Amino acid sequence: KAGVTQTPRYLIKTRGQQVTLSCSPISGHRSVSWYQQTPGQGLQFLFEYFSETQRNKGNFPGRFSGRQFSNSRSEMNVSTLELGDSALYLCASSESYEQYFGPGTRLTVT
Amino acid sequence: GIQVEQSPPDLILQEGANSTLRCNFSDSVNNLQWFHQNPWGQLINLFYIPSGTKQNGRLSATTVATERYSLLYISSSQTTDSGVYFCAVDRNNDMRFGAGTRLTVKP
Repeated sequence: KAGVTQTPRYLIKTRGQQVTLSCSPISGHRSVSWYQQTPGQGLQFLFEYFSETQRNKGNFPGRFSGRQFSNSRSEMNVSTLELGDSALYLCASSESYEQYFGPGTRLTVT
Repeated sequence: GIQVEQSPPDLILQEGANSTLRCNFSDSVNNLQWFHQNPWGQLINLFYIPSGTKQNGRLSATTVATERYSLLYISSSQTTDSGVYFCAVDRNNDMRFGAGTRLTVKP
């Protein structure tokens, strides 16, 4: 099976802009989770989608949102970007409990 | 939420040495995984181990769920083992990561 894919791999945006990141899970996996990784805060859970419904949400402001499509592909959106949003954004898919991660999208906000 | 503590934070080994990485967690969990993050940021699954012991080549892991800890053993370390090792626990679909152990294996 193909692994989890994320696009784009690298992105540079300016403060105040918005960004959309995409994640395609492993075929057959219905759960997609998103994480933010920064040097200061480490890996933090953003949200999880299962069958197009947000099942769980981490402690992030409303500027961070996501959605999942009927084919399980997921997108996350960050509006009104701040410098502190610069991070590696990781997506993971799972069939049950074990999670498999994509290569990540490295977002730089200038 | 669940607290996850990993130790040691940094570890430097000579090639061929063995090591033990520890993960303590503060509450019962449904899931525990160990990952290796390579220099490009990719998280690679090592073990899915909510309890018991598993082995995969030079790596093995043991989780004692009743005592809320897990151990990752690396034997005969190689330079390619270098990177950051993360423990992650899941309770009610909320996965929490430890801060990681940064392993450097010198030739």
